[in-house]
Amino acid sequence: GDSVTQMEGPVTLSEEAFLTINCTYTATGYPSLFWYVQYPGEGLQLLLKATKADDKGSNKGFEATYRKETTSFHLEKGSVQVSDSAVYFCALIQYGNKLVFGAGTILRVKS
Amino acid sequence: NAGVTQTPKFRVLKTGQSMTLLCAQDMNHEYMYWYRQDPGMGLRLIHYSVGEGTTAKGEVPDGYNVSRLKKQNFLLGLESAAPSQTSVYFCASSQQNRNTEAFFGQGTRLTVV
Repeated sequence: GDSVTQMEGPVTLSEEAFLTINCTYTATGYPSLFWYVQYPGEGLQLLLKATKADDKGSNKGFEATYRKETTSFHLEKGSVQVSDSAVYFCALIQYGNKLVFGAGTILRVKS
Repeated sequence: NAGVTQTPKFRVLKTGQSMTLLCAQDMNHEYMYWYRQDPGMGLRLIHYSVGEGTTAKGEVPDGYNVSRLKKQNFLLGLESAAPSQTSVYFCASSQQNRNTEAFFGQGTRLTVV
């Protein structure tokens, strides 16, 4: 079945450091790919998405590019802030609109 | 806009007790989902619904039942709670289009002792 694999955390960075969170997927067909973010005590909210190969999703300084050849959707940000501390989930969706999530990666940013 | 609202937000149950979690959405979405979130395991789909009156099993359906009698509501029931059901439960809804995002509730933290 479809699956998503994320790098294990927690990831701890200093403010203004460069962030990469790796995400790879296994799916038949051509899924849409998402990054969701969960701030402490809250539900998940969409960060960005890409619906076809080579699409780049971007939001709030975060970017991710849909790479079909490597089945990857890595999340990047050039300069993280303390307010970016959260749990980040990579996800895919395909038939039946069922979202499949990765295990989540905790990001901690120190000032 | 309220979006997706879950009740209750917290609950402690004794083993063997029953309860129902309520999810309500005001966005006229066709699809609704129940997930559980456990440390290191991401979100796992329990049950989902593609429209009023329809439900289907997800990845981890055992020990849970659901109903979707009205389009805006999706109920998750635990008939006989077990400690293994201690988790954070999230409801979500989405439109009938795989390219659109899912909207999540704030979660229900359930502890079974």
